[in-house]
Parts: sequence; C-alpha cells; structure tokens
Amino acid sequence: DAKTTQPPSMDCAEGRAANLPCNHSTISGNEYVYWYRQIHSQGPQYIIHGLKNNETNEMASLIITEDRKSSTLILPHATLRDTAVYYCIVRVSFGNEKLTFGTGTRLTIIP
Amino acid sequence: DARVTQTPRHKVTEMGQEVTMRCQPILGHNTVFWYRQTMMQGLELLAYFRNRAPLDDSGMPKDRFSAEMPDATLATLKIQPSEPRDSAVYFCASGLDQTSGDTQYFGPGTRLTVL
Repeated sequence: DAKTTQPPSMDCAEGRAANLPCNHSTISGNEYVYWYRQIHSQGPQYIIHGLKNNETNEMASLIITEDRKSSTLILPHATLRDTAVYYCIVRVSFGNEKLTFGTGTRLTIIP
Repeated sequence: DARVTQTPRHKVTEMGQEVTMRCQPILGHNTVFWYRQTMMQGLELLAYFRNRAPLDDSGMPKDRFSAEMPDATLATLKIQPSEPRDSAVYFCASGLDQTSGDTQYFGPGTRLTVL
C-alpha cells in the first residue's frame, strides 16, 4: 500500500469548513483513498473513499487531484463533535484487506 | 443500527493471566479484523479472517496470542500468558468482501491493562 503524509495537527473554527490535506505521491492506479476518523476513546469510523473522482456523502467531501498524488477531505461546517484524529489511507479496494493506519491529523474544532 | 460489539470493554489483569476478548461482527459481514492501539505504535493490525478462515496473523505474537472464529457471529482474541506490554486498546472490525467500496466498521474496543 502507498504511503501517506498528513500534517500532525490542525485547528478549525466551529462552523467553518475544515480542509484536511493528504499526500500520496506513490499511489498506484488501482489504489483508493480512504478516510477514517477516531474520536477520543472510540473506534475508528469510516468517512469516505474515492478512486479518482471527487466524492461527497452526508459526512464530508473528498477532492482528489487529477494526478491522484494528493487529496483533501472537506468537512463543510465543522462542529465540536468533529474534533478527532483523521486518517488518510491508501489501499487496493478488493477483498476488504487490512487498513494500515499512519499517525493521522489531529483536528481540533475551536468554539 | 447494526454495530460491532466487543466484550469486555475494560479488563484489568495480572501478568501471567489468560485474557480472552470477544467480538460480535455485524450480521452478514464476512471479514473480521483485530487491531491493537497503543500510544507508541498507534493502530496496528494483529490478524484478520475472511469467511472464518484466518488470512493474515503476521502482526500477532504467535507464542502468546491466538485468534479464532468459532462461528460467524463470534471472534475471539486470546492472550496467554499476558504481559504488561500487552496493555492496549484492542479493536475488532468487520466488513464485507466486495469488489469495491468495502469499508470496515469498528467496535468500541477492549481496554486491557496488565499489571
């Protein structure tokens, strides 16, 4: 699986959009970009994933650059409950193989 | 609202004792994963199963850890004998084996403290 690079921490004001970047310059053509988050004392939670097109669901939007070497997770209207560690993971999406977690970005939403 | 359940949620034991952690995957899911989280190592995979067959347990110390799926509704992770360095939060996750879009759903974890 390709390696990812994320900033260790970020702050965002409540009600604003939180934009979390991820670099994955060695991504292969058959690898997807997944985002999970882990709220304190809870298990990781799936947010969104994509291959090359931008994706949106009820939780977030995922913007993947055309060369697929980086992506951005967008939480459109951040709330205090979005304070968590966000993990960007790149892997082949077939057969539900294991997730390899990095250190993630600790996002703090400021009131 | 289907969820992965794990028991016990907390376990304190003494070094040398046997510890068994249990996981009930979401009904219908055919892949089950065991992860361990510590401050030093972060989240790391211990083992995983597909259709109850073990696929990868390379992350697990073989001499003391064992993982099994007695049936489709139960996965167990056993440590015997336990050591203080095993203190961690152990997460179980389940998912579906699909051609695309597969995700993993995590349980609340078992917080293990070995004294």
